[in-house]
Amino acid sequence: EPEVTQTPSHQVTQMGQEVILRCVPISNHLYFYWYRQILGQKVEFLVSFYNNEISEKSEIFDDQFSVERPDGSNFTLKIRSTKLEDSAMYFCASNGGRMGTSYNEQFFGPGTRLTVL
Amino acid sequence: KNEVEQSPQNLTAQEGEFITINCSYSVGISALHWLQQHPGGGIVSLFMLSSGKKKHGRLIATINIQEKHSSLHITASHPRDSAVYICAVGGGADGLTFGKGTHLIIQP
Repeated sequence: EPEVTQTPSHQVTQMGQEVILRCVPISNHLYFYWYRQILGQKVEFLVSFYNNEISEKSEIFDDQFSVERPDGSNFTLKIRSTKLEDSAMYFCASNGGRMGTSYNEQFFGPGTRLTVL
Repeated sequence: KNEVEQSPQNLTAQEGEFITINCSYSVGISALHWLQQHPGGGIVSLFMLSSGKKKHGRLIATINIQEKHSSLHITASHPRDSAVYICAVGGGADGLTFGKGTHLIIQP
């Protein structure tokens, strides 16, 4: 069964360093998302991506964040200068986007746990 | 902005019991999702619904659009059902808005 994959599973970095989190969505899916979950808190939306551009972004997704789909398969989240408060589990998700609607079941990757020291 | 509230926050039950988890939201939606999060952190989609009722195995999800309320039921609960169950709304271009989740423990 197709699945969303994410690498690495765990990333440890120093404050101020750049990190890139990688995701491979399901191949025929059209909508891609990044979410984050700070330990003990609810999952939060960061950004959605469709047709090679950002569709929507939350107020969390400031200038320190960027997303890219560099090669038609990978979908990356870059944090330019990490802060302690960026420590969280980051989930990538995709959905198939049936014609006429973007409201479809979302398939989540296993997550990348980011620890900023 | 939609607010998603779940109840109860924590639920401990005995194996075999009928479980109900509730979700309410503040703004009309196009879709509501029930998700399961395992102790390791992974999230699995259980249901997406926009009206009526869906059933998959021992799980049943219902939604009342007029009352902005949904319920997730588990029949004949089993210890392997122990997980966090999350209600989320939306999922189109603006992504999902999540509830805080219900921590369910089923004791043998």
